[in-house]
Amino acid sequence: SQTIHQWPATLVQPVGSPLSLECTVEGTSNPNLYWYRQAAGRGLQLLFYSVGIGQISSEVPQNLSASRPQDRQFILSSKKLLLSDSGFYLCAWSVDPFGEQYFGPGTRLTVT
Amino acid sequence: KNQVEQSPQSLIILEGKNCTLQCNYTVSPFSNLRWYKQDTGRGPVSLTIMTFSENTKSNGRYTATLDADTKQSSLHITASQLSDSASYICVVSTRSGSYIPTFGRGTSLIVHP
Repeated sequence: SQTIHQWPATLVQPVGSPLSLECTVEGTSNPNLYWYRQAAGRGLQLLFYSVGIGQISSEVPQNLSASRPQDRQFILSSKKLLLSDSGFYLCAWSVDPFGEQYFGPGTRLTVT
Repeated sequence: KNQVEQSPQSLIILEGKNCTLQCNYTVSPFSNLRWYKQDTGRGPVSLTIMTFSENTKSNGRYTATLDADTKQSSLHITASQLSDSASYICVVSTRSGSYIPTFGRGTSLIVHP
């Protein structure tokens, strides 16, 4: 069966510090991968998606970036965090880019 | 512009009661509609997924309906339990070439004993 992992589960970082969140998927090949952010009391906002290694599409211009160094690994990064980057970050995968998405447990990021 | 509107924004019910959550969308062309349950601090978990030809789909005490003509969906929860307390999110996908699904803001359901 397929499993999606995210780490860390929680993170507290000062403004201006770098960020690296990792997501890995097990039990499937060539998944479509997604990064979402969910601010408190708000809906899910798609940040990046990837249909293959090295293929990244950005939906929201910001100081975040994403990379896919391996087929089942998706990384969300920032060189300098802003207070507005605080939120709940979710990674998801799907077989069909138009189909059902399966979400990871999420990372709670607090920028202080 | 593709949009998904959910109502009510929040709902409080007593344990054992039934409830219905609504989702209206303007996404076109339609591919599928999904309902997710998200517990506080956790990732969303899929409840149902429906394509254009499906009117009803059940998952235990959860039953989703879809009216593609009026572009409306509902999620009915029967005999609610305390564990049903969560946010319920409606998501609609299109096959227009975009991989980006449209998410509703969710309905926050609280079940009281």
